[in-house]
Amino acid sequence: GQNIDQPTEMTATEGAIVQINCTYQTSGFNGLFWYQQHAGEAPTFLSYNVLDGLEEKGRFSSFLSRSKGYSYLLLKELQMKDSASYLCAVRDRPGYALNFGKGTSLLVTP
Amino acid sequence: EAGVTQFPSHSVIEKGQTVTLRCDPISGHDNLYWYRRVMGKEIKFLLHFVKESKQDESGMPNNRFLAERTGGTYSTLKVQPAELEDSGVYFCASSQEESYEQYFGPGTRLTVT
Repeated sequence: GQNIDQPTEMTATEGAIVQINCTYQTSGFNGLFWYQQHAGEAPTFLSYNVLDGLEEKGRFSSFLSRSKGYSYLLLKELQMKDSASYLCAVRDRPGYALNFGKGTSLLVTP
Repeated sequence: EAGVTQFPSHSVIEKGQTVTLRCDPISGHDNLYWYRRVMGKEIKFLLHFVKESKQDESGMPNNRFLAERTGGTYSTLKVQPAELEDSGVYFCASSQEESYEQYFGPGTRLTVT
């Protein structure tokens, strides 16, 4: 079976840095994705990692360690609009379905 | 470029009734996925189309659910007859073949009373 764990909730201050962790145990591995979802809206793609290391894209970075089954999403210079749910998802085959964690609800406070 | 669209955005039906959800993927995307999120749970895969063919329907909960994608463009997901436990948000996503990311629609919130 698939097991993807991430914290349920996090709170951080505007302008700060926050790291959202994700651990996974899946039958196969063909990439790890991070999505952002605001309430009532579509999940939107943030990042993709298939090799170990850090991928940076503006204020957002994502890290992957395949040997440890571990990833994190790093958000810098937090803004109020970053308050959302952040979903970690693992794909175990190319072009195949995503297996999601329950999501981490991030609240950014002034 | 238009994104993935879903219709309706909300649907409230009584137990035993039938509901059909529609998804229009991004033009040119051969891969189309249906997912569902029930309250308090994670988003779960239902099935995957490649063009008009069902690549994998291992996530479909039971035979009350029927998905079609005639012509390889839009897709429908029919629930007949609906049960209380079918309530949740149904998401559709699409991707180009071998592309990295899946693009999600806003979802259809289904409430069965």
